[in-house]
Amino acid sequence: QLQLQESGPGLLKPSETLFLTCTVSGAPISSSSHSWGWIRQAPGKGLEWIGSLHSTWSMNYNPSLESRVTMSVDTSKNHFSLRLNSVTAADTAVYFCGRHDSAPYQAYFDSWGQGTLVTVSS
Amino acid sequence: EIVMTQSPATLSVSPGERATLSCRASQSISSNLAWSLQKPGQAPRLLIYDASTRATGTPTRFSGGGSGTEFTLTISSLQSEDFAVYYCQQYHEWPITFGGGTEVVI
Repeated sequence: QLQLQESGPGLLKPSETLFLTCTVSGAPISSSSHSWGWIRQAPGKGLEWIGSLHSTWSMNYNPSLESRVTMSVDTSKNHFSLRLNSVTAADTAVYFCGRHDSAPYQAYFDSWGQGTLVTVSS
Repeated sequence: EIVMTQSPATLSVSPGERATLSCRASQSISSNLAWSLQKPGQAPRLLIYDASTRATGTPTRFSGGGSGTEFTLTISSLQSEDFAVYYCQQYHEWPITFGGGTEVVI
């Protein structure tokens, strides 16, 4: 059974760098059939896609965050990561990792981690 | 980017009643639309993809319709576990975008 689990610091100060990891169990992260993504949800708000990492290790990022975001993968640990630079209070959110199909026009998220709350405060 | 607009923001219904939720795309997305449900403190859960295909485990009381720019999610007879927030998501082009959500309340 596929499981995704986010991990990382819960509290950051403004201007610091956020680094989160999503550990995948029950499926190989190197599968050519799937892509892996990050989504966030500010308190009381809707969902915002951050980026996706594809089986070819190419990436798509949300243009609104692209200048500050980097995604990476470690196949030996079966996990992928998110790096967000220069955080502000506006980056306070629950961060989810998820999986979607890698085929064109199939990028709906069919599995999600439980989410991890990241608070940015001085 | 494609803007997804959901209506209404809040839908008040009684158990056993029918509920219809709407999602509109700012440009045509063919049938590249998914619906997910989110309960407080939980991650979203996929209900429908490709506008009308139920995901594994989705009860048959949930049905999706539409194509192009107008989409609907219908819950034929609301059960207590259906009271939640529903999001639509387009995956026709990057960036992936979500609607603002419809909260279904008693």
